[in-house]
Amino acid sequence: GQSLEQPSEVTAVEGAIVQINCTYQTSGFYGLSWYQQHDGGAPTFLSYNALDGLEETGRFSSFLSRSDSYGYLLLQELQMKDSASYFCAVPGLNTGRRALTFGSGTRLQVQP
Amino acid sequence: DSGVTQTPKHLITATGQRVTLRCSPRSGDLSVYWYQQSLDQGLQFLIQYYNGEERAKGNILERFSAQQFPDLHSELNLSSLELGDSALYFCASSPRSDSGNTIYFGEGSWLTVV
Repeated sequence: GQSLEQPSEVTAVEGAIVQINCTYQTSGFYGLSWYQQHDGGAPTFLSYNALDGLEETGRFSSFLSRSDSYGYLLLQELQMKDSASYFCAVPGLNTGRRALTFGSGTRLQVQP
Repeated sequence: DSGVTQTPKHLITATGQRVTLRCSPRSGDLSVYWYQQSLDQGLQFLIQYYNGEERAKGNILERFSAQQFPDLHSELNLSSLELGDSALYFCASSPRSDSGNTIYFGEGSWLTVV
């Protein structure tokens, strides 16, 4: 089978750093993606890792360890506007890897 | 703005009715994906079309169907609606026949079944 595990909720304060973890179980591996979704809004692409290591895009970074079936999204210098849900995703086995399967999402609350 | 357009934005309808949700992908994208998002189910993949042909099927109910037209827009048809079908329905698109690492979501259609 295939599964993605994320914490349901994380709280942090403005200016801090927060890490959102994602562990996955899948046969074969074709990359881990991260999406952000504000309440009532559309999911938007943040980051993608196909290889082990850290990918940095401004305040956001994403890390992958294929041997541990684990990745995380790192958000630095948190701002109030970062309050949103964050989803990790992998190409779904049940779709012939043609469509993304999403984790259940982590709701990030940034407090002043 | 992702470039993916969905209509209607909001829809309220009664149980047993049928509705059609419409999606126009980003210019040049050949793949269209439909996802359902409800509070307790997260983002659930329903179906994918690529250049007019069905490519992948997820957890789509038999009461639901979709198609992609020659101009690449897509429609999701939901029939015999039940209260549990109330959800946010997203369309997404990508240029590839698979999702690759990035798909682009529209703003969604809020469906409320009463």
